[in-house]
Amino acid sequence: NAGVTQTPKFQVLKTGQSMTLQCAQDMNHEYMSWYRQDPGMGLRLIHYSVGAGITDQGEVPNGYNVSRSTTEDFPLRLLSAAPSQTSVYFCASRRGPGNGEKLFFGSGTQLSVL
Amino acid sequence: QQQVKQSPQSLIVQKGGISIINCAYENTAFDYFPWYQQFPGKGPALLIAIRPDVSEKKEGRFTISFNKSAKQFSLHIMDSQPGDSATYFCAASTKAAGNKLTFGGGTRVLVKP
Repeated sequence: NAGVTQTPKFQVLKTGQSMTLQCAQDMNHEYMSWYRQDPGMGLRLIHYSVGAGITDQGEVPNGYNVSRSTTEDFPLRLLSAAPSQTSVYFCASRRGPGNGEKLFFGSGTQLSVL
Repeated sequence: QQQVKQSPQSLIVQKGGISIINCAYENTAFDYFPWYQQFPGKGPALLIAIRPDVSEKKEGRFTISFNKSAKQFSLHIMDSQPGDSATYFCAASTKAAGNKLTFGGGTRVLVKP
């Protein structure tokens, strides 16, 4: 039972570098999302997808891109990393977009931008 | 502007005591209120959830109390155990906004043996 798998677990970037955070789920979930977690701010939604080929912006989308070419994968791209993007990133999925569906989280990627 | 405000930010309780975490919201369209539990180095996991047509829901030692008129809900952890030491997040969502979860700021709970 892999659930939601995120790679890498840790990453250090220099300002201006680009990178992709990987997320994969093996539960055939339609809905996938990315959150960032900052102290005192809780979890804030970056981008989400309700199915392959469909993505939309969340609360804090600036500086991030996503795509959803398959049901299983939902990568998050940082085009030009900034120190403000230092955070812990969580990918999450659920069976469908419906209210009350349990959200399953990955174990997170800790990103530092110097 | 946080739509869901959570307090306190941290809490220390003795083993066997009661932990109480409070959340307040502004959006009256919210219709689903889950609580998530997060251990260090792990992702959050759903603990318990409630809908606004119910004033209380209990699962084991965890109880959600919901006050629709005050736009507040709270998590009570009865007989707190050291294994309950974690960060707890309240959240809310509404069908009108695509059921996207809005999280509170989190409460770090430490249960002392």
